[in-house]
Amino acid sequence: DIVMTQSPDSLAVSLGERATITCKSSQSILYRSNNKNYLTWYQQKPGQPPKLLLYWASTRQSGVPDRFSGSGSGTDFTLTISSLQAEDVAVYYCQQYYSPPYTFGQGTKLEIK
Amino acid sequence: EEQLVQSGAEVKKPGESLKISCKGSGYRFSNYWIGWVRQMPGKGLEWMGIIYPGDSDTRYNPSFQGQVTISADKSINTVYLQWSSLKASDTAMYYCARQFYDFWDGLDYYFRGTDVWGQGTTVTVSS
Repeated sequence: DIVMTQSPDSLAVSLGERATITCKSSQSILYRSNNKNYLTWYQQKPGQPPKLLLYWASTRQSGVPDRFSGSGSGTDFTLTISSLQAEDVAVYYCQQYYSPPYTFGQGTKLEIK
Repeated sequence: EEQLVQSGAEVKKPGESLKISCKGSGYRFSNYWIGWVRQMPGKGLEWMGIIYPGDSDTRYNPSFQGQVTISADKSINTVYLQWSSLKASDTAMYYCARQFYDFWDGLDYYFRGTDVWGQGTTVTVSS
């Protein structure tokens, strides 16, 4: 199985500041034929199901604010929230869709400082 | 509106059987893979497996193979997750979720992610 490791486990950022979460896969999740990284980011707020934020590592799902962005390729990926809003408090997960089982990172809890 | 609606919370005893459901609406249900995701209390997300309701092609996470059964009834736009003998360790929230299909490369399917989620079904197993 591909192991997904996120860091940090928790993060406190001031409102309006940048938040950065990293996700590392145990093997490359770049599909070379289409040059796409099969890395997905989700946001989960308390008592709610996860919400899809980004797929292909950097493509925003429809309706997701542009303060959310993703980058990286191969095995190393980053989720960035450019200017933290109060409604961004949540747990963030990465997931690889390169090879089943489609494993998740352990999650990063984002709070307001 | 595209949505998945799951059956209600369950409280069961160890050894009992259970079948929970996930009903889709607002889209062509048979044409999209549906997956199940487990979230144990206070923990992260675990991908359990997926099913294509059109022909019931099913793929399991080896960690869950033999522990649960995923099935579908496309005539009523419903996917199921069932246990034949529950354990206390099955206590969790279970989400069904539509897989955002990308392509088939001749060997396997590729998905972009999970774009529609059910509200979750809480399963509590306790003596």
